Amino acid sequence: AQSVSQHNHHVILSEAASLELGCNYSYGGTVNLFWYVQYPGQHLQLLLKYFSGDPLVKGIKGFEAEFIKSKFSFNLRKPSVQWSDTAEYFCAVSSTSNTGKLIFGQGTTLQVKP
Amino acid sequence: DTEVTQTPKHLVMGMTNKKSLKCEQHMGHRAMYWYKQKAKKPPELMFVYSYEKLSINESVPSRFSPECPNSSLLNLHLHALQPEDSALYLCASSQDRHGEQYFGPGTRLTVT
Repeated sequence: AQSVSQHNHHVILSEAASLELGCNYSYGGTVNLFWYVQYPGQHLQLLLKYFSGDPLVKGIKGFEAEFIKSKFSFNLRKPSVQWSDTAEYFCAVSSTSNTGKLIFGQGTTLQVKP
Repeated sequence: DTEVTQTPKHLVMGMTNKKSLKCEQHMGHRAMYWYKQKAKKPPELMFVYSYEKLSINESVPSRFSPECPNSSLLNLHLHALQPEDSALYLCASSQDRHGEQYFGPGTRLTVT
């Protein structure tokens, strides 16, 4: 069965620090990969996605992620975080064959101190 | 317009009540979804509709009954819920079942 693992449950950073959130998935087939963000009191928003092509994808608000197929990983990065990046971050995976089913990781709470 | 709207924003219902949650999108998407999200947890898929037909039911109890009247609307009918069903119910849509999903703000449901 598909599963998604986010290793960091709670991350605390100071403003301007660099961010990397880990995401690993378990599935043998071809997958689509996503990072979603949920700001306090707001709805889930898509940060970025990977379907195919260049494994380094850029999203909104300066975020990027790199798909490493050999490591089944899709880590999220940002060179310099801001206080406004405080939020819950979810990695998600869908199989290109088991369509419609989006599997989420447990989420990472990011707290950025001003 | 990448907006999915949901009504109501909040709902409090007793265990004997019947209520419905509504979801609407005008992006021309042909796949729509219901998720349940508990506090500090990821969304859990409940149902998937594709071209107005139910394609996935994640073994959801029958007290939750989905309906897709047309390609823009998705309802979730609730009946005889339990207190443990209290959660944030999220609707999402995508171009088709392969595409990225856009989420609505959710309905905060409390069952008393």
